[in-house]
Amino acid sequence: AQSVTQLDSHVSVSEGTPVLLRCNYSSSYSPSLFWYVQHPNKGLQLLLKYTSAATLVKGINGFEAEFKKSETSFHLTKPSAHMSDAAEYFCVVTLYNFNKFYFGSGTKLNVKP
Amino acid sequence: GAGVSQSPRYKVAKRGQDVALRCDPISGHVSLFWYQQALGQGPEFLTYFQNEAQLDKSGLPSDRFFAERPEGSVSTLKIQRTQQEDSAVYLCASSPESGGTEAFFGQGTRLTVV
Repeated sequence: AQSVTQLDSHVSVSEGTPVLLRCNYSSSYSPSLFWYVQHPNKGLQLLLKYTSAATLVKGINGFEAEFKKSETSFHLTKPSAHMSDAAEYFCVVTLYNFNKFYFGSGTKLNVKP
Repeated sequence: GAGVSQSPRYKVAKRGQDVALRCDPISGHVSLFWYQQALGQGPEFLTYFQNEAQLDKSGLPSDRFFAERPEGSVSTLKIQRTQQEDSAVYLCASSPESGGTEAFFGQGTRLTVV
């Protein structure tokens, strides 16, 4: 079975400080993992994806994530938060056939001026 | 526009009413997905189409839910005899490939059953 646990429902950081959003997954097979962002009244947007290539994945807007099989983690990081990063972030796992995504419950990121 | 379009954006239905939610995927996209997102939760899989074929409907919560994509493009999610627990945002996504490695999501339809 596949599942995703996002360890923090809310994260608050100050603008210019690092961002860490944590995600642990469970999968019976080699997973593919994604991070999506959802701004209010906008559709889900793909930030980055891991599909068994390099374990350190770079995405849009300065975000990156590292796949750690031994820890079953796929944490999302950004060195310096921007006000425009305030949104809800979802960690997603799928199997090789990519026909079904399993979403975490989401982490709301608040960025303080 | 070039993105996935869903209509209506908002729908209020009286309990027991039937509703139909429409999804216009990106032109030429092979795969189409429907997800249900309850308040405060992550989206949950409902069903998957590859062209006009519904290959997976394991996430449909009951036989009141029905989805179709008759010509392999536009899709409709129909909910019969709506109940309060059906209140959620219904998200549609499409992908150019078989499967969703590059899935593009619409803004969703927010359904409120009163």
